[in-house]
Amino acid sequence: GENVEQHPSTLSVQEGDSAVIKCTYSDSASNYFPWYKQELGKRPQLIIDIRSNVGEKKDQRIAVTLNKTAKHFSLHITETQPEDSAVYFCAASSAAGNKLTFGGGTRVLVKP
Amino acid sequence: DAGVIQSPRHEVTEMGQEVTLRCKPISGHNSLFWYRQTMMRGLELLIYFNNNVPIDDSGMPEDRFSAKMPNASFSTLKIQPSEPRDSAVYFCASMAYINEQFFGPGTRLTVL
Repeated sequence: GENVEQHPSTLSVQEGDSAVIKCTYSDSASNYFPWYKQELGKRPQLIIDIRSNVGEKKDQRIAVTLNKTAKHFSLHITETQPEDSAVYFCAASSAAGNKLTFGGGTRVLVKP
Repeated sequence: DAGVIQSPRHEVTEMGQEVTLRCKPISGHNSLFWYRQTMMRGLELLIYFNNNVPIDDSGMPEDRFSAKMPNASFSTLKIQPSEPRDSAVYFCASMAYINEQFFGPGTRLTVL
């Protein structure tokens, strides 16, 4: 089955700096890669996703890149703000598109 | 739409007791997922349903866990008998076809 590795497990950045989280996946047939943000005590919520026919996608301060050849994808947060502090999860879906396999999560702390 | 609804939000029980967690997916969504989240194991998929039919239950830890989806608007996850190591946050999520999974608020289960 699919295996998703996520790095780093924790990330501390100064407000205004950029944060980058990287994920690798094992199943070359995976074609959907969402990123979820989970604030303390809250549910995971989708912040951005990318499909395998696209190499990069951007939404304001958040961008995701996908390299299908190398089987890795990354989340980039620019101009970080304290409200970006949360745990971020990457995921990859099976070829059938339903089952998500999540990475282990990255705890991001933005220091003011 | 109220989003995915889960009940109870918190459950404290004693070892050996039966626990039933409930989920109402978003109307019109045809896939439903049960996840368990712990610090040690992260976010794990337990089981998912497509059109009320269980598709993959390979994540169900053992026979003490069972899940049902009698109709498109209701699902249960049952643990019998419960054990302290079952303590976790249990999330239900629903999805419309191959798209974003929407998570419910979760049920925080504590087994004493």
